[in-house]
Amino acid sequence: IQLTQSPSFLSASVGDRVTITCRASQGISSYLAWYQQKPGKAPKVLIYAASILQSGVPSRFSGSGSGTEFTLTISSLQPEDFASYFCQQLSSSPLTFGGGTKVEIK
Amino acid sequence: QLQLQESGPGLVKPSETLSLTCTVSGGSISSSTYYWGWIRQPPGTGLEWIGSMYYSGSTFYNPSLKSRVTISVDTSKNQFSLKLSSVTAADTAVYYCAGDTSGTWYYDYWGQGTLVTVSS
Repeated sequence: IQLTQSPSFLSASVGDRVTITCRASQGISSYLAWYQQKPGKAPKVLIYAASILQSGVPSRFSGSGSGTEFTLTISSLQPEDFASYFCQQLSSSPLTFGGGTKVEIK
Repeated sequence: QLQLQESGPGLVKPSETLSLTCTVSGGSISSSTYYWGWIRQPPGTGLEWIGSMYYSGSTFYNPSLKSRVTISVDTSKNQFSLKLSSVTAADTAVYYCAGDTSGTWYYDYWGQGTLVTVSS
């Protein structure tokens, strides 16, 4: 299952609302996770089952969608949110990741 | 709180076998709900799932690598390992070990990653 993220690059300011899209090549119900990755660090899970916030993740992060189209929204971008974001499908093997979205400071 | 730590050579010659070990602390590798996996990330690019295993020995591999990959577990040492044979420069990447404590195929615990370069 291929995952296509858009945009691949995003320039935004602190306080902006940011939305990242992940499209699956076939339906995956709600079997999707979102990760944040900062340079030189391992990915960190933000959301699983498309919309469930991982424990400890700030509530400004939210996920939605099912089937083939999913979104990750950051309601008010904070300085620590500038990073890369990846989606991952959990529906079937092989597990696959989206190509990533890099969020940079405007 | 689980902690994972990769270890192994940072340089491997072409055609040889890449071998990495992940040591798990803060929990048992034999937990009935945990899956353990390896993911890699070539420099500057995205993430590729290599495979996962259950402590009992059941394994799941990416078909693109299946012919070259072996993931195994050593419960006595609370470790699991990755072997990737016949490596080429295309296998140069940061390799992460990761834990899935929910059994639903997303990874909530990660090692820090280790860069493995394939070069003569």
